[in-house]
Amino acid sequence: TQLLEQSPQFLSIQEGENLTVYCNSSSVFSSLQWYRQEPGEGPVLLVTVVTGGEVKKLKRLTFQFGDARKDSSLHITAAQPGDTGLYLCAGGGGATNKLIFGTGTLLAVQP
Amino acid sequence: EPEVTQTPSHQVTQMGQEVILRCVPISNHLYFYWYRQILGQKVEFLVSFYNNEISEKSEIFDDQFSVERPDGSNFTLKIRSTKLEDSAMYFCASTQQGNRRVNTEAFFGQGTRLTVV
Repeated sequence: TQLLEQSPQFLSIQEGENLTVYCNSSSVFSSLQWYRQEPGEGPVLLVTVVTGGEVKKLKRLTFQFGDARKDSSLHITAAQPGDTGLYLCAGGGGATNKLIFGTGTLLAVQP
Repeated sequence: EPEVTQTPSHQVTQMGQEVILRCVPISNHLYFYWYRQILGQKVEFLVSFYNNEISEKSEIFDDQFSVERPDGSNFTLKIRSTKLEDSAMYFCASTQQGNRRVNTEAFFGQGTRLTVV
């Protein structure tokens, strides 16, 4: 069974601080996607990484895929209250590319 | 921007009743999925659908569940006889490709909150 563990589960920080969220598995994934989910809404895709070692930047967000394609990290620089939300990593692969979702990291950025 | 749309946004049903959740995937996408998220828990895969047939399903997707693409745009999830534990957010998703490392980005709908009473 493929599992994705995210850490930390909860994170409450002040505006302007930096943070890193980790997504780890013992399984190899063909791709890894990061989503952000607001309460009562569907996950919104932030980025997809497919190559081991790949780094992608989206404004203040930096995503990295591990060399072995088993883990990933999301780093946010100078967090803002608008970054508040549930961050989900999801590993894809297999014939149908179904997604295995991580346990989620709930981020609260205090003004 | 193309998006996945789901209806209804909320559905309350009595235990034992049948429900149909509807989705309109992005028009040029080929693979369709249903996921569910029980309150406070992680998003779980239910089923994938390609070329008018189920391509993969999880243990959750038992005989009470079925999917259909009744026409060229809709994709439905039917629960035949709902149970209390079926209460969850149900998300539809679609991807352009299913088995390559590019163009496999999954786009999700806003979800249907199903409450079984």
